[in-house]
Amino acid sequence: KAGVTQTPRYLIKTRGQQVTLSCSPISGHRSVSWYQQTPGQGLQFLFEYFSETQRNKGNFPGRFSGRQFSNSRSEMNVSTLELGDSALYLCASSLETGGDTQYFGPGTRLTVL
Amino acid sequence: AQSVAQPEDQVNVAEGNPLTVKCTYSVSGNPYLFWYVQYPNRGLQFLLKYITGDNLVKGSYGFEAEFNKSQTSFHLKKPSALVSDSALYFCAVRPSGGGADGLTFGKGTHLIIQP
Repeated sequence: KAGVTQTPRYLIKTRGQQVTLSCSPISGHRSVSWYQQTPGQGLQFLFEYFSETQRNKGNFPGRFSGRQFSNSRSEMNVSTLELGDSALYLCASSLETGGDTQYFGPGTRLTVL
Repeated sequence: AQSVAQPEDQVNVAEGNPLTVKCTYSVSGNPYLFWYVQYPNRGLQFLLKYITGDNLVKGSYGFEAEFNKSQTSFHLKKPSALVSDSALYFCAVRPSGGGADGLTFGKGTHLIIQP
C-alpha cells in the first residue's frame, strides 16, 4: 500500500505571496492532519480533517487554512506569507481520528524569502 | 491543554547497550501516547503507541515503551542499541476523550549510538 504523499517537496516563495500544499493520504484513510515543524517551535498541530469536515484546529492565524476533498485528499493554504512561515509542513493520515495511528508523509519544505 | 516533556535534548549510548529515551506528559483524562522517529530530511515514522490495556507496549525495530499512569511517563526503551538507531525521537500525546487538538509533540530527543 502506498504511503502518504505530499507535493511539492520543496517550495520557495517571497513574502506576501500565497502557497498551496497538497497531501494524498493512504488509501482507505479518512482523516488527514497537518503539522508545522520548525527548529524553534518544534512540531505544532495545524488542523485535522475527517470526511471533508475540519474537526480540530491548532493555534495558528487565519492565514492558514485547509480543506479536504471527497477522495480524502487534502490541501492547505497559507496566504500573505511571512518569513516565519518557513518550515517543514507535514501531513499525516489515519483511518479515523482519536487513537488511530497517524502515518506521516515526507513533508513539504517551504522557504519564504 | 495537553503537553509533553522530553527532558533530554540528546542521549548518547554505546552500541549494544540498553537505551532509554524519557517522556512525561500532561493531559486531561486518559491519554493516547505515541512514539515516532525522524531521520534527517524525512517525515516521521511510527514506532509504537499506547491506547489501553497492557502497560508494556512493543513496537517496531525492537523498541518498547512502558506506560506509567502514576508517574505520567511513557519512556522508550530498547535492550541493545544499534548504530542505525541514531535519529531524532518524538513522544506525542492526545486525550482519549477527544478535544480540540491533534497530537501534541515533545521537543524531541537526539539519540546518538556510538560504535
